[in-house]
Amino acid sequence: DIQMTQSPSSLSASVGDRVTISCRASQSIASYLSWYQQKPGKTPKFLIFDASSLQSGVPSRFSGSGSGTDFTLTISSLQPEDFATYYCQQGYSTPWTFGQGTKVEIK
Amino acid sequence: EVQLAESGGGLVQPGGSLRLSCAASGFTFSSYNMNWVRQSPGRGLEWISYISSSSGPIYYADSVKGRFTISRDNAKNSLYLHMNSLRDEDTAVYYCATTGSYGVNSFHYWGQGTLVTVSS
Repeated sequence: DIQMTQSPSSLSASVGDRVTISCRASQSIASYLSWYQQKPGKTPKFLIFDASSLQSGVPSRFSGSGSGTDFTLTISSLQPEDFATYYCQQGYSTPWTFGQGTKVEIK
Repeated sequence: EVQLAESGGGLVQPGGSLRLSCAASGFTFSSYNMNWVRQSPGRGLEWISYISSSSGPIYYADSVKGRFTISRDNAKNSLYLHMNSLRDEDTAVYYCATTGSYGVNSFHYWGQGTLVTVSS
């Protein structure tokens, strides 16, 4: 199975900050990487697919990059509604696996 | 508006069985590949099963293979998960989710989830 490791596990940031979350795959997954946002008690929300393609309706302050084993989710200017937990997920081979999540908290 | 509504969760004893359902609306269900994904505090988000739009390829995670069965009824716009030989570690919120519309094996639309608790 491909293991997905996110760092950090949590971070504290202020509104307006630039936030970067890393995701590393245990083997190359090309660009078959997606990102999701989940708020407490809510369903995961699909943000980015194929490592860098923004899902329709997702604000442009979100961006993704990377290929192979190393990927990044960036929020260019953190907004109050962005405080949530973020997950990466590989779609390269079954079992499709998720990272453990990065919780973005208010500083 | 795309809607996925899971049902069938509840409390079940270890070794018991349960059937989850996912009712789809607002899109052409028969054109979408479907999945079950579960989430628990101990195991995080875990993909457990996939079924293609025509019930062709079906995949399972090793953790549920041989115990869970995914199926669908395109005429009823419904997805199912038959769960047998349930274990404590199967306790989780179970989501149905679509794949295939964007990206490679990305989970695009999600239901609100149904809680399964396995406990004596």
